[in-house]
Order: sequence, then structure tokens, then C-alpha cells
Amino acid sequence: GQQLNQSPQSMFIQEGEDVSMNCTSSSIFNTWLWYKQDPGEGPVLLIALYKAGELTSNGRLTAQFGITRKDSFLNISASIPSDVGIYFCAGQKGNTGKLIFGQGTTLQVKP
Amino acid sequence: EAGVTQSPTHLIKTRGQQATLRCSPISGHTSVYWYQQALGLGLQFLLWYDEGEERNRGNFPPRFSGRQFPNYSSELNVNALELEDSALYLCASPQGGASTDTQYFGPGTRLTVL
Repeated sequence: GQQLNQSPQSMFIQEGEDVSMNCTSSSIFNTWLWYKQDPGEGPVLLIALYKAGELTSNGRLTAQFGITRKDSFLNISASIPSDVGIYFCAGQKGNTGKLIFGQGTTLQVKP
Repeated sequence: EAGVTQSPTHLIKTRGQQATLRCSPISGHTSVYWYQQALGLGLQFLLWYDEGEERNRGNFPPRFSGRQFPNYSSELNVNALELEDSALYLCASPQGGASTDTQYFGPGTRLTVL
């Protein structure tokens, strides 16, 4: 099925460093979402973006909805060990109901 | 307000058997979405139910089916199980009632086909 192009695939960083990941698509989305998934659990919503150009923060997390509506990025500042997990972007278009997901970015943080 | 709940947590079946997975959406919400997360394939949209009707379907064979009950809970049935059906099956419920509302996920059911 269709997926978004998410990069990087994995990151191994030092505690305290900033992290950036992004998603791109060849088609336009009306909504961009960022989720975090811990092993064996369901994805947890981090940030939801609804308007092109929108920049939204949630604590140390910041995400933006690209102007072209074909991309989004997520930044994590001053990473901590509990940031470890898999981060997924997801896009939604029209009223199909379905989310289209990126392949995920696996984040590891070294204390 | 209770979140999305799923049962069972784990399910082990053999090839050719049938599996039934259950989901209860956020209390009072009418829509349920099902996704499959198989190793190496990411999260793939399976089915969307709203008000008891199937509204949209992903690119999966007919042996993946489901239904939604009057209380808005839902079942996902997988017939004639194949090894590649082994995956985490996730159910999601939108924050509001619209198809464009943000989806919140349950903990998932891990299906293992031997």
C-alpha cells in the first residue's frame, strides 16, 4: 500500500542532543500527525497538524505542516532516555478515514 | 472517558484457522478503524466502520472482514489464516465523530500464526 517517505530510518544519539525527522509525499494531505510507539504497544499521538504552514509544539517536541502540504517535520529538543522508541508520521486526505503512515524512525538515546 | 480497548492481547493460531479480534472505541464514538502492523511492512489501513456500516476498505483480501455492533464495538475476523497474517492489529477511534478527526489507537492484539 501507499506509504509516506520518512527519514531517517534510525538514529542513535547522545542524551541532550536535538533530533530532527521528516516525512514527504508526492500527494497532498489535509492533516499530518506524529505518533510514538513503544515496543508491544499502540502508537500514541504526539502532535496533530491541520493547516499548511502550521507550527505546533508539545513540550520539547515541535512539528510543522509543510506549505506545499506534501511534507512535515518533527523536532525533539534536548533528548532524554525516555524518548527512545519508534516515531511515525501519518497523513490523512479527504474523508476516506484512513491514515497513511511513514515507515518509522527508530530513535535510540545514549545516556 | 475510557480510551480504545482491544482484546485479546495475544492470540496464537495455526494456518487455516480463523481469528477474531475485538475493539471498543472511545466511549460514545461511532467510528472504528483497523490497521495491520506487520514486520517490515509498517502500518497499513484495513477497515473503517461507522454507525454499523463498512465505510472504507484497504488493499486486503476478502478473508479479512469485520463488523460493528450497535454499541459501536467492532470485530475483525481473519479467515483461512496464513503465516504472513502474523502482525500487531491495531484499532483506532477518532477524537470526534468526523472521518477527518484525529485517530487514537488502542494497545493492539498480537496475532501469531504458526
